[in-house]
Amino acid sequence: ETVLTQSPGTLSLSPGERATLSCRASETVSSRYLAWYQQKPGQAPRLLMYRASNRATGIPDRFSGSGSGTDFTLTISRLEPEDFAVYFCQQYSSSPTFGRGTKVEIK
Amino acid sequence: QLRLQESGPGLVKPSEPLSLTCTVSGDSITNSAYYWGWIRQTPGNGLEWIGTIYYTGTTYYSPSLRTRATISVDTSKNHFSLMLNSATAADTAIYYCARAPRGEGLISDYWGQGALVTVSS
Repeated sequence: ETVLTQSPGTLSLSPGERATLSCRASETVSSRYLAWYQQKPGQAPRLLMYRASNRATGIPDRFSGSGSGTDFTLTISRLEPEDFAVYFCQQYSSSPTFGRGTKVEIK
Repeated sequence: QLRLQESGPGLVKPSEPLSLTCTVSGDSITNSAYYWGWIRQTPGNGLEWIGTIYYTGTTYYSPSLRTRATISVDTSKNHFSLMLNSATAADTAIYYCARAPRGEGLISDYWGQGALVTVSS
């Protein structure tokens, strides 16, 4: 199975700052089949990005995704209070697997 | 408005089957644009995809759960179900049902609220 390693485990930032989250795959993710989700406590995950760089419906443009092959990045250009959450990446070029998550917390 | 609602026993005894149903409202489960799937989440193993079904009955399963998991669909009731045989404590998790857009692959663009299932005697 394709293992996804997310870093850092925790990111401590202030509102208005830029967040850069990394997701590295153990094998090439073909066709950039890489998605990102946001999860807040007590809630289900919410789809943010698919195909590495496509925003899902209703996702603000401060969220952007990039990458290909084995290295992918989610960037939040300016953190809003509601963006403090856990973020997961998921690959779906083979049997789907998820990363363990990056927690973005308020500094 | 689309709503997915998981239902089923919150407590399952070890070695017994774990069974959940996801009722879809606000859309037809026969909508050809979507698949329907199950994902679970544990503190130890994080998020784990279990499997996905199309309304025709075509299924896709995680290799690690394929021998124990069965996903089925009942179009007359607009719901789909998960059965996981021979449950163990390792199957204790929050189980989510979700929708997957057919044109994109096995991502989940809409999720239920989740159902906690504990496997314990």
